Amino acid sequence: AQSVTQPDIHITVSEGASLELRCNYSYGATPYLFWYVQSPGQGLQLLLKYFSGDTLVQGIKGFEAEFKRSQSSFNLRKPSVHWSDAAEYFCAVGGFGTASKLTFGTGTRLQVTL
Amino acid sequence: DAGITQSPRHKVTETGTPVTLRCHQTENHRYMYWYRQDPGHGLRLIHYSYGVKDTDKGEVSDGYSVSRSKTEDFLLTLESATSSQTSVYFCASYSGTRESDTQYFGPGTRLTVL
Repeated sequence: AQSVTQPDIHITVSEGASLELRCNYSYGATPYLFWYVQSPGQGLQLLLKYFSGDTLVQGIKGFEAEFKRSQSSFNLRKPSVHWSDAAEYFCAVGGFGTASKLTFGTGTRLQVTL
Repeated sequence: DAGITQSPRHKVTETGTPVTLRCHQTENHRYMYWYRQDPGHGLRLIHYSYGVKDTDKGEVSDGYSVSRSKTEDFLLTLESATSSQTSVYFCASYSGTRESDTQYFGPGTRLTVL
């Protein structure tokens, strides 16, 4: 069975500081990995995705993530956080085909202090 | 982003009453999904559809049924609502035709069962 672990429930960083959100997955085949962001009261917006190729993927809003197969990880990073990045972040794993069912982690809530 | 709408956006109902949530997409996507979001659980798949009249269960399907009579519409029904079904419900759609594609989410429906 596929699963995703986001070990940090809540993270607080200062504006301008760097950010890393952790994601570990379990998947029996080649994983397709995603990071979504959810602002309060809003739906989910795709930040970035990894299907194959370069293990460092760039996304919107200055985010990037690195796929490390040996560690079963797909951590999200940003060099300098802005106050508007405060939101909840979800990592998800799935595969192409079979209705592409996604399994989500429980989310990490990011708070940004000024 | 795909054009996905959900209705209603908010609903309060009483235990034991039937409730139907509607998801409408304008992208002619083959696959559609219903998730529920609860604190500490992330998003969990309720049911999904891989074509008109073709549906299957997700991980938390008990107490829910779905129907898809047209490509663009996917209905989620709570036959007899219970307080444990108080949640935020998200619909998503996916083309399934391109490896680089992903699921796109609607804005969510907040359901409160009293």
